[in-house]
Amino acid sequence: GAVVSQHPSRVICKSGTSVKIECRSLDFQATTMFWYRQFPKQSLMLMATSNEGSKATYEQGVEKDKFLINHASLTLSTLTVTSAHPEDSSFYICSAYNDEQYFGPGTRLTVT
Amino acid sequence: AQSVTQPDIHITVSEGASLELRCNYSYGATPYLFWYVQSPGQGLQLLLKYFSGDTLVQGIKGFEAEFKRSQSSFNLRKPSVHWSDAAEYFCAVGSSSGNTPLVFGKGTRLSVIA
Repeated sequence: GAVVSQHPSRVICKSGTSVKIECRSLDFQATTMFWYRQFPKQSLMLMATSNEGSKATYEQGVEKDKFLINHASLTLSTLTVTSAHPEDSSFYICSAYNDEQYFGPGTRLTVT
Repeated sequence: AQSVTQPDIHITVSEGASLELRCNYSYGATPYLFWYVQSPGQGLQLLLKYFSGDTLVQGIKGFEAEFKRSQSSFNLRKPSVHWSDAAEYFCAVGSSSGNTPLVFGKGTRLSVIA
């Protein structure tokens, strides 16, 4: 089956700094990837749709200037959390489509 | 609007007992339906999915689900629960076109007691 990886799996950063999370489709190409956020004991909420070679589409309430998405190639999308705050601490999960949705293992972000 | 409702936030069952987790969906077109399981601090694991055809779908780990269009439901079942099944379970719906994001329910936390 298709595999999606995320890096890093866990990251701790200080408030005010930026952190980049990578999402890679390892054995297929994905023109579209999706970024979800999951707060503790809650469900996954779509943040944005990442489109290769074009701007991402953000869901209502998600700050595009804070959560920068770059989909520079058909196998890589990155999510950069800029000027991170403790309330950005969450579990970030990406997915990519290849006949069905394949999810990455997630990245646990903790902002101190 | 697309939505998924999982009415049970938390269910506790005894090991060896049967299990049914409920899922109702609202979707404007032909839905693709999924059940995922998530252990604490882990990512999602796909248990099973329904695209079309036989409405009773078999998945991994002994799980099955039945699609009932008339009831807009896709309930997950397992005849005999194991302690290792304790986890969070998410029902999700997506478009038949495939390349669209999934809409998730709020999840049902399953506890298994001896």
